[in-house]
Amino acid sequence: AQSVTQLDSQVPVFEEAPVELRCNYSSSVSVYLFWYVQYPNQGLQLLLKYLSGSTLVKGINGFEAEFNKSQTSFHLRKPSVHISDTAEYFCAVIFVSGSARQLTFGSGTQLTVLP
Amino acid sequence: DTGVSQNPRHKITKRGQNVTFRCDPISEHNRLYWYRQTLGQGPEFLTYFQNEAQLEKSRLLSDRFSAERPKGSFSTLEIQRTEQGDSAMYLCASSFPELGVYEQYFGPGTRLTVT
Repeated sequence: AQSVTQLDSQVPVFEEAPVELRCNYSSSVSVYLFWYVQYPNQGLQLLLKYLSGSTLVKGINGFEAEFNKSQTSFHLRKPSVHISDTAEYFCAVIFVSGSARQLTFGSGTQLTVLP
Repeated sequence: DTGVSQNPRHKITKRGQNVTFRCDPISEHNRLYWYRQTLGQGPEFLTYFQNEAQLEKSRLLSDRFSAERPKGSFSTLEIQRTEQGDSAMYLCASSFPELGVYEQYFGPGTRLTVT
């Protein structure tokens, strides 16, 4: 079965500390991988994507993620967080079978940056 | 490129009433997706259009839901005989995978409250 799992529902971290948000998926087909951020009462904004090529991808706002095919993971990292990074983060996957190319989302991780 | 827009942003309705939401995608994008997001969860795929054709519907889309995309431009999502369980954020997104734009760009969403 195809699924996306975000292991941590809430991650509190102090300002300027590093953070890692974890994402694992289960799939028997190729995947495209994404991280989105959602601020309260807003839509989703794309942080970064992996389609092919280098497994380390860099995104906006200093975030980066690494695709690990053997671990079926796509963890999001930032070396030093700011208060403004407080938001909900969603890992999303396109399972490349059929033509729909719809996103399957994890349940989200609420990142709270503490002063 | 003005991004994806959705109207209205908020809708409060009484149980049993019909509601209609509108989505205007990025103009160059041929694909339009609808998702539903309930509190504390990631968005879930409802349906998608390629140009004016509705090509896939998820099992979440009951018979009370109908979507259209006349002329392949804007799309509407109608819910008939609303139920309290329909209360959610309805998100629209667009993309153009045939041109390598696999990432989906989301609108701000329409928050529906059924009383």
